[in-house]
This record gives sequence, structure tokens and C-alpha cells, in this order.
Amino acid sequence: GQNIDQPTEMTATEGAIVQINCTYQTSGFNGLFWYQQHAGEAPTFLSYNVLDGLEEKGRFSSFLSRSKGYSYLLLKELQMKDSASYLCAVRNFNKFYFGSGTKLNVKP
Amino acid sequence: DTGVSQDPRHKITKRGQNVTFRCDPISEHNRLYWYRQTLGQGPEFLTYFQNEAQLEKSRLLSDRFSAERPKGSFSTLEIQRTEQGDSAMYLCASSLPGTGLSEAFFGQGTRLTVV
Repeated sequence: GQNIDQPTEMTATEGAIVQINCTYQTSGFNGLFWYQQHAGEAPTFLSYNVLDGLEEKGRFSSFLSRSKGYSYLLLKELQMKDSASYLCAVRNFNKFYFGSGTKLNVKP
Repeated sequence: DTGVSQDPRHKITKRGQNVTFRCDPISEHNRLYWYRQTLGQGPEFLTYFQNEAQLEKSRLLSDRFSAERPKGSFSTLEIQRTEQGDSAMYLCASSLPGTGLSEAFFGQGTRLTVV
């Protein structure tokens, strides 16, 4: 089976940095993806890791350790519009498996 | 191309009725996925097409669910004899082939309410 775990909810302050963790145990691995989903909207792609290490993309960075089955999404200089759910997804060959998502609340 | 589009956006139906949803993927994407998402959960895989071939269907999916992609372009998802437990957001996504950076692009979803 596929098991992807994320914290359910986090709260952070505008302007701060927040790290959202994801651990996974899957039968195969072809990359780890992070998506952002605002309430009532479709998930939108944020970042992708297939090799170990850090990928930086503006205010967002994502890290992967395949040996530990671990990833995190780092959000810097938080803005109120970053309040959303963040989904960790593992691609196993041609399918994407999602965690339950982490709801991030950004407070002024 | 404006992305993945789904129709309708919202559907309210009575228990026992059949419903059909449509998904138009990004034109050059040969992979198409259907997911179901309930409140507070991540998207749950339902089925997957490569071109017109349905390559996999979740074991969690009952026989009341069927999906088609007759010409390898748009896809339909039909739910027969709907039940209240079918109430959810149904998301369609498409992607390019390959196992590199070919992320899934999602449509806005169809929110189904079974009353």
C-alpha cells in the first residue's frame, strides 16, 4: 500500500518561515510533488523533487531524502494569501498518491 | 489552451439517480486521471487513462463507477445509483507522458451532492 503522512494543521505569522513535513512509504517512487490548494479550488503545482536535496523556487523550497522517505516544503516571508492546504504527493510510475494535506493558517 | 476543464462545476442529485461528469484535459496531455476528494482529505486515486486505454482502476471503486475516454481526448465519469457517500469533489487531472517532471494539472473539479 501507499502511506503518506503530513501534519493536519499548522499556524504561522505573516512574514515568518514555516516548514511542512511529509513522510512516505510507497511501493515505488518516481518523484515527490507539492501542491497548494485553496479552499474550494483545484490543487496547483508548487514544486518537484526526484533526487535528494533542496530545490528552491522563489519563496518556496522543497527538500527530499529518499533514504528516509522524507520531504519538507519551506515557505519564506509568509503572506496572508499563503493560507491554504499543502498537499504532498508521491508519483509511483504513472499514478500520483496524495497525503491528506496540511492546512496552513497565516495570521497577521 | 486554458488548462483542464470540468463540467459541471456543481451537481445536486437525488439518491439513486445516475450522474455523468466530463473532463477536457490539456490538449497535448495523453494521461488523464480521476480523483475524489472529501473535506479535509487529499485527493484519492480513482482511475487513470493513457490515451484511450484505461490502465488502472482503484480497487476501492465500486462497480457503480465507470469512466471512459473514447477518443483519447475528453473523458467522462459516470456514477450509477448514487449514494449519499458519493458526495465529494471529483477532480480530473492530466499530464504529459514520462517519469520526469510531468506534474499533474488539475481541473476545478465537480462538486457532487447526493441528497
